[in-house]
Amino acid sequence: DAGITQSPRHKVTETGTPVTLRCHQTENHRYMYWYRQDPGHGLRLIHYSYGVKDTDKGEVSDGYSVSRSKTEDFLLTLESATSSQTSVYFCAISRGKGRDEQFFGPGTRLTVL
Amino acid sequence: GQNIDQPTEMTATEGAIVQINCTYQTSGFNGLFWYQQHAGEAPTFLSYNVLDGLEEKGRFSSFLSRSKGYSYLLLKELQMKDSASYLCAGLDSNYQLIWGAGTKLIIKP
Repeated sequence: DAGITQSPRHKVTETGTPVTLRCHQTENHRYMYWYRQDPGHGLRLIHYSYGVKDTDKGEVSDGYSVSRSKTEDFLLTLESATSSQTSVYFCAISRGKGRDEQFFGPGTRLTVL
Repeated sequence: GQNIDQPTEMTATEGAIVQINCTYQTSGFNGLFWYQQHAGEAPTFLSYNVLDGLEEKGRFSSFLSRSKGYSYLLLKELQMKDSASYLCAGLDSNYQLIWGAGTKLIIKP
């Protein structure tokens, strides 16, 4: 299994508070992704990174920011959490962009009250 | 717009064969993926097709027709552990994955 972990695995927070989710990999893969998964929707890309300090927006980036200061860590921050951001968040990694398979972390279940 | 369509839920019997269909509309096309996701777990890679035809991997096969914008995942000799959601995802011209909502497959004894 690809070495990819997420922390925390579960979090309950209140509306308006900042939240940071961490993704850590030990595979030295170049690409890292943050997705959210909600019932009735496919995985939706929030942001992705193609190298240290190189990030780009995905389809649902509003309200989220990311940082990648080291190859192995990719942080997702909700600046001011809202109830619409209650979701399961998955981090994924891949060697290259596109045709390479993505390996997913175990997910973080976030509840915003 | 870009879209991936697949059935929401399917039911099949242990030991049988099931085909899960996926139709896609993407801006450009660079291949199609299938992932498996057990309840409460992360998706895991099953297959990638970029050329027309059938690719077989043990009990699982995946088919692609680019002219029809259509793919299917074929599961043979179904086992109870195959109960999961199956996610179809198309790779567009920018090499971004467009994901379907997934097909929940229920296996009955």
